[in-house]
Amino acid sequence: DAKTTQPPSMDCAEGRAANLPCNHSTISGNEYVYWYRQIHSQGPQYIIHGLKNNETNEMASLIITEDRKSSTLILPHATLRDTAVYYCIVRNIIQGAQKLVFGQGTRLTINP
Amino acid sequence: DSGVTQTPKHLITATGQRVTLRCSPRSGDLSVYWYQQSLDQGLQFLIQYYNGEERAKGNILERFSAQQFPDLHSELNLSSLELGDSALYFCASSVTGGFTDTQYFGPGTRLTVL
Repeated sequence: DAKTTQPPSMDCAEGRAANLPCNHSTISGNEYVYWYRQIHSQGPQYIIHGLKNNETNEMASLIITEDRKSSTLILPHATLRDTAVYYCIVRNIIQGAQKLVFGQGTRLTINP
Repeated sequence: DSGVTQTPKHLITATGQRVTLRCSPRSGDLSVYWYQQSLDQGLQFLIQYYNGEERAKGNILERFSAQQFPDLHSELNLSSLELGDSALYFCASSVTGGFTDTQYFGPGTRLTVL
């Protein structure tokens, strides 16, 4: 699976949009981008995933660049409950194992 | 609430002991995954089961074993426990266990080995 690079930490003001970047420059055509988050020591929570088109659900939006080498997770109106570690994961849908490979993620802090 | 349940929430035991962690997948999910999260190693995949059969293995120690029962619940058995086994253990489930399946995680079991 392709490697991902995320900033170790970010801050965002409550009520503003939080934009979390992820670099995956070695991504291949068979690989999806997944985002999970972990609030404190709770179980990781699925947020969203995509292949090449932008995706939106009730939690967030995922913007994938045209060359697919990077993506941005957008939380449109961040609240204090969005404070968590956010993981960007690339999964190969053809050859990869079913396991999720978690990196260090981005620790997002939402400030009041 | 993901629908995945894990028991117990906390477990404190001594070195050399054996413990069993239990996981019930979401209704309708056939595949179960186990992950370990320690301070120094982060979240790591241990093993996956699909409909009772082992499907994939990660960095699982020989002292650890797992199984999935006919009712699809799974147990992770940890034996000859060492201090370094202290960690959060998460179970996840998905519908088929396929490559594009979304995995949903349980709340975890915190194991402390003294």
